Amino acid sequence: AQSVTQLDSQVPVFEEAPVELRCNYSSSVSVYLFWYVQYPNQGLQLLLKYLSGSTLVKGINGFEAEFNKSQTSFHLRKPSVHISDTAEYFCAASGAGSYQLTFGKGTKLSVIP
Amino acid sequence: EPEVTQTPSHQVTQMGQEVILRCVPISNHLYFYWYRQILGQKVEFLVSFYNNEISEKSEIFDDQFSVERPDGSNFTLKIRSTKLEDSAMYFCASSSTGPSGANVLTFGAGSRLTVL
Repeated sequence: AQSVTQLDSQVPVFEEAPVELRCNYSSSVSVYLFWYVQYPNQGLQLLLKYLSGSTLVKGINGFEAEFNKSQTSFHLRKPSVHISDTAEYFCAASGAGSYQLTFGKGTKLSVIP
Repeated sequence: EPEVTQTPSHQVTQMGQEVILRCVPISNHLYFYWYRQILGQKVEFLVSFYNNEISEKSEIFDDQFSVERPDGSNFTLKIRSTKLEDSAMYFCASSSTGPSGANVLTFGAGSRLTVL
């Protein structure tokens, strides 16, 4: 079984500043990792995913994340945020052989003009 | 881009009433899911469905819940007798591969259920 921990429930950041949203996971099996974004009053949209291969994955809207197996982390980064990035971001994990996607509690990113 | 469509977007019901939430998954997807998100809490897995049967379910998915694929396009979640604690956003999702591969889910916009 997996568990996913997002250490920050809220992250305020000024426009054009960099941001990192933290995610740690625990899993006893090979794991696939995802970041989803939820804009206000909308559903969950896939931002990026790590399945295998290169540990640095790039997603939509300029976001990227790095899979770090030794630290069991999958932090999300963006070098310069925009107002439109204000949303809630969810880290999620699934294991080989499981139908289930396990989510973290989410991090609300607020971009300040 | 193909999307998962959910109806209704918001439903208000009285405690004890039956509710059916509907979903149209992406047409060539074979695996279907329901998740829920109680306000302020994590998104939680409810159930997965493949080949016309439940493939996995969580502890939350008790006897008051059921899922069905009544025709070739719709996937429904029924709650038989709603409770106050069923108030949540319910997300439908679908995927083309199951757990044998990297299971990338596409989610719908959600159906908000309010039980009074």
